[in-house]
Amino acid sequence: AQKVTQAQTEISVVEKEDVTLDCVYETRDTTYYLFWYKQPPSGELVFLIRRNSFDEQNEISGRYSWNFQKSTSSFNFTITASQVVDSAVYFCALSGGGADGLTFGKGTHLIIQP
Amino acid sequence: DGGITQSPKYLFRKEGQNVTLSCEQNLNHDAMYWYRQDPGQGLRLIYYSQIVNDFQKGDIAEGYSVSREKKESFPLTVTSAQKNPTAFYLCASSTTQGIWAETQYFGPGTRLLVL
Repeated sequence: AQKVTQAQTEISVVEKEDVTLDCVYETRDTTYYLFWYKQPPSGELVFLIRRNSFDEQNEISGRYSWNFQKSTSSFNFTITASQVVDSAVYFCALSGGGADGLTFGKGTHLIIQP
Repeated sequence: DGGITQSPKYLFRKEGQNVTLSCEQNLNHDAMYWYRQDPGQGLRLIYYSQIVNDFQKGDIAEGYSVSREKKESFPLTVTSAQKNPTAFYLCASSTTQGIWAETQYFGPGTRLLVL
């Protein structure tokens, strides 16, 4: 069975601070895919990134960066110089491949205070 | 603009009543999904469909039913057998590329409340 753990239920930081959201996963699949989604107060999930298990390169997109480490089964997400607009719930998710559904973590509620 | 639409935005259900949530996509995606989100929880998979006229149960299918008669549409019916239907329901779609897990894109969601 697959499992995604986001141990941080809520994080609150002051604007311009850096913040890291943790994601730890469990799977027996040798090939798998990891995702991060953002859920603003409106409720719609916004796709941020997809990472394949055979590609361990870290990725940076503007103020966002992702650190994928197979050795520790982690796929952490860092926001640099956080902004109030980053306030949202962030979900990490896992797929074993194909067009099956995603297994989601419970999410981390990120609060950026001005 | 291509995207996924869900209606209604809010839905109220009386005890013993079946209600249907609509999900339509114009992204030409083969696969569609229904998830349920409870407060403070992640999303859980209800049903998914990889092709027209075919669908599979997810982790929490009991009390729900679906149909997939058209590629663009994947309606979800919450039956009276679902004893705790109050939740936020999200529909998603994706392309299919064999063994690859394609990115799922989500609609705006429907909030279902029981009167």
